[in-house]
Amino acid sequence: QKEVEQNSGPLSVPEGAIASLNCTYSDRVSQSFFWYRQYSGKSPELIMSIYSNGDKEDGRFTAQLNKASQYVSLLIRDSQPSDSATYLCAVTAGNTPLVFGKGTRLSVIA
Amino acid sequence: NAGVTQTPKFQVLKTGQSMTLQCAQDMNHNSMYWYRQDPGMGLRLIYYSASEGTTDKGEVPNGYNVSRLNKREFSLRLESAAPSQTSVYFCASSAFFGTGPDTQYFGPGTRLTVL
Repeated sequence: QKEVEQNSGPLSVPEGAIASLNCTYSDRVSQSFFWYRQYSGKSPELIMSIYSNGDKEDGRFTAQLNKASQYVSLLIRDSQPSDSATYLCAVTAGNTPLVFGKGTRLSVIA
Repeated sequence: NAGVTQTPKFQVLKTGQSMTLQCAQDMNHNSMYWYRQDPGMGLRLIYYSASEGTTDKGEVPNGYNVSRLNKREFSLRLESAAPSQTSVYFCASSAFFGTGPDTQYFGPGTRLTVL
């Protein structure tokens, strides 16, 4: 059974701080990694995707991937109250469906 | 360009009733998916269709059937609803399943309650 693990939270950070969200996965052949944001009562929306080891930056968001450690993370710099949501990590080997973690709830305190 | 649309948005059923959830996408995507989301359980895949004419079971297919009506539409049917099927159902689509970097786009969801 392929698993994706996330700390359920809530993770509380003050406004302006860096929020660090972590995800580990069990399938070593995983190739593609995604972070989705889901506001309460809404559908998931893609924030970042990453496919190779290292960092990928997009605005205030940075995704980090370490395939040797089977670990992917999302950093949110200058956190804003509007970033308060549940963040879902999703992983696929490419020829298999996405497997989602249960999500980490982030709360940014003004 | 509406993206992925789902109907209905809300539904209440009695145990044993049947219903079909409808999903359509206008992004010319080949692959479509049905998920359910329950508190504390994350998104779980029910069925998916990698391409028109094919369907495959996901993690939790029992109690459900699907039909890929054409490239745009993918429906989910509950033949005899049970309280355990109370959930939020999301439909998603992607360009090409199985090609690695294949982003999924989600519909707004259907909130189903089975009494």
